[in-house]
Formats: sequence, structure tokens, C-alpha cells
Amino acid sequence: GAGVSQTPSNKVTEKGKYVELRCDPISGHTALYWYRQSLGQGPEFLIYFQGTGAADDSGLPNDRFFAVRPEGSVSTLKIQRTERGDSAVYLCASSYGLSGTDTQYFGPGTRLTVL
Amino acid sequence: QQQVKQSPQSLIVQKGGISIINCAYENTAFDYFPWYQQFPGKGPALLIAIRPDVSEKKEGRFTISFNKSAKQFSLHIMDSQPGDSATYFCAASKGEYGNKLVFGAGTILRVKS
Repeated sequence: GAGVSQTPSNKVTEKGKYVELRCDPISGHTALYWYRQSLGQGPEFLIYFQGTGAADDSGLPNDRFFAVRPEGSVSTLKIQRTERGDSAVYLCASSYGLSGTDTQYFGPGTRLTVL
Repeated sequence: QQQVKQSPQSLIVQKGGISIINCAYENTAFDYFPWYQQFPGKGPALLIAIRPDVSEKKEGRFTISFNKSAKQFSLHIMDSQPGDSATYFCAASKGEYGNKLVFGAGTILRVKS
């Protein structure tokens, strides 16, 4: 079946602009995670959704970052007033169950470049 | 705060050799330890995972060794193949309801043919 998909695959924007990154999880997966991966580093947790609600947003770096999942499926990560330091690959993952041991399936990521 | 430390940063192994990657964690509340494999331009994919109630888990050529008292775990790739060349990440989570993964910094493995 289809895996996790993310669009766009690449996004180049200018400092100060607003961007939206989209994630389509595997159908039927309840949990959805966003991570950020900087060059040469492991993914860092940003936010986790259980259904439509954000169950844990402790990894969002500041209030410029916001994410929604209005119908419990597709999620959008929104970044306002982008800064050069926001440049990274943004990864989305989903899992069927809500246990921390349920396998998280990752999408290919969106590479964000802020000029 | 780096909660999961991974070494080495990079590793070159001859085809047929054994690749060994090590990780150490600090948070004793962690009780789920997966390893992910990532190819360029792709997202990480689960390779193998272990809970701390066992000291070793083997799946094919991949083995996790776990030392709870030392708070260390390692990935062994037996009979390494060029197709194994990728970046490997160890991770840890509390394993409870919807908990996030904490990743190591990654190891770039190159298997020379």
C-alpha cells in the first residue's frame, strides 16, 4: 500500500515568508508525528497528533511553528516569518496505534531552504 | 541535551565484514530502542527494535545487543553488503502512550566491495 507522502519535496523561500508543509499519513494510522532533521543530525521531535488533537507539542521551537490535523488524517506544518535557521528536512511519520512501541513509518521529507 | 549518544560518526567496512554501531542513553525511563536505516533522499525506515527485558535480538544479518546496567546498546550487521551502505540511527523512547522518539546523531556506513 501507499506509504507516508509529503509535499512539496523541496521548498525554497525567502527569509520572513510563510510556508506550509503537508503530510499524508498511511490510511488508518491514528498517530502522526513531525520531526526536523538538520544536516548531519538525527531527526528531532516537533509535535505529535492523536487523531485531530496535538497530544504533545513540546518540540516546537517557538510560536512561529504551528501544526494542524483538522480531520484526523492529513496534517499541515505551518511556519511563519521563516528564518535561515529553519532550513532543514521536515519529516512526517505515522503509526497505526498509540503505543510508543508502534512502528513509526516515515515519509521522504520536505527539504526547506530559507534564503 | 543529547539524550542518546551514537558512535562512530562514520564507518567503512569491507564486504563480508561485521559493522558495529554503538549507542548510549541517559534517561532510565527509556524502554524501547529501535534502529532506523536511512538512504539519501528517503525517510528513515525501521530496521530492528528491542525492549530492555532481553539482552539480544536477531533478525537475519542484524543483531541488537542491549546492556541495561551500562545503558548501552549496539547494532551488529553481519556479512555486510554494499547495499547496506546508508546512515543508521539509534533511537529511544519511553514506549508509553504515543511517546516520541529521541534519535542519535547517526552513523554513515560505507561497505566497500
